[in-house]
Amino acid sequence: GAVVSQHPSRVICKSGTSVKIECRSLDFQATTMFWYRQFPKQSLMLMATSNEGSKATYEQGVEKDKFLINHASLTLSTLTVTSAHPEDSSFYICSARGRGRRIATDTQYFGPGTRLTVL
Amino acid sequence: AQSVTQLGSHVSVSEGALVLLRCNYSSSVPPYLFWYVQYPNQGLQLLLKYTSAATLVKGINGFEAEFKKSETSFHLTKPSAHMSDAAEYFCAVTLSGGYQKVTFGIGTKLQVIP
Repeated sequence: GAVVSQHPSRVICKSGTSVKIECRSLDFQATTMFWYRQFPKQSLMLMATSNEGSKATYEQGVEKDKFLINHASLTLSTLTVTSAHPEDSSFYICSARGRGRRIATDTQYFGPGTRLTVL
Repeated sequence: AQSVTQLGSHVSVSEGALVLLRCNYSSSVPPYLFWYVQYPNQGLQLLLKYTSAATLVKGINGFEAEFKKSETSFHLTKPSAHMSDAAEYFCAVTLSGGYQKVTFGIGTKLQVIP
């Protein structure tokens, strides 16, 4: 099956610092990766979509200069929250779609999520 | 644009009872539909998906869902609830082909009472 990992699983940082979250596809090539944000007791909200080697496409209302996304390889995408503030505290989940053995090319496979707490 | 509506943010069932989680969709073109499960502080796991083939879709852990175009519904069922089924369930929709944006419902929290 398709496995997507995220690192770190939890991070606590001070206000004003930057935090990088990694998303990796372990056994398939992720041609497209997605970053979601989930507030407590709410659904997932898509933040941005990135295709390998291209600039990310951000959803309306998401600040691209604050949430930097890099998808430099077919197995790795990173989300950097710059100058984090307490309101950025949330659960960030990535997903990937791509190609490989025993995966469906039309399905998004999700990582386990990263809990960000900004003090 | 597409959307999904999940009726009931909380559902409680007794262990061994039927599980029924409701999802209605809106889409201007034939949709792909998904059910995902999320355990606390974890990501989403795909339960099953409908991609315009068989209308009755069987997934993992004994779950299944039926696509009903006339009712624009994709309800999730399981004949007998287990304690381990307690989790949050999300219905999601995208356009045919699966290469467009996926829109999620608000989720339904399933509680299983022993």
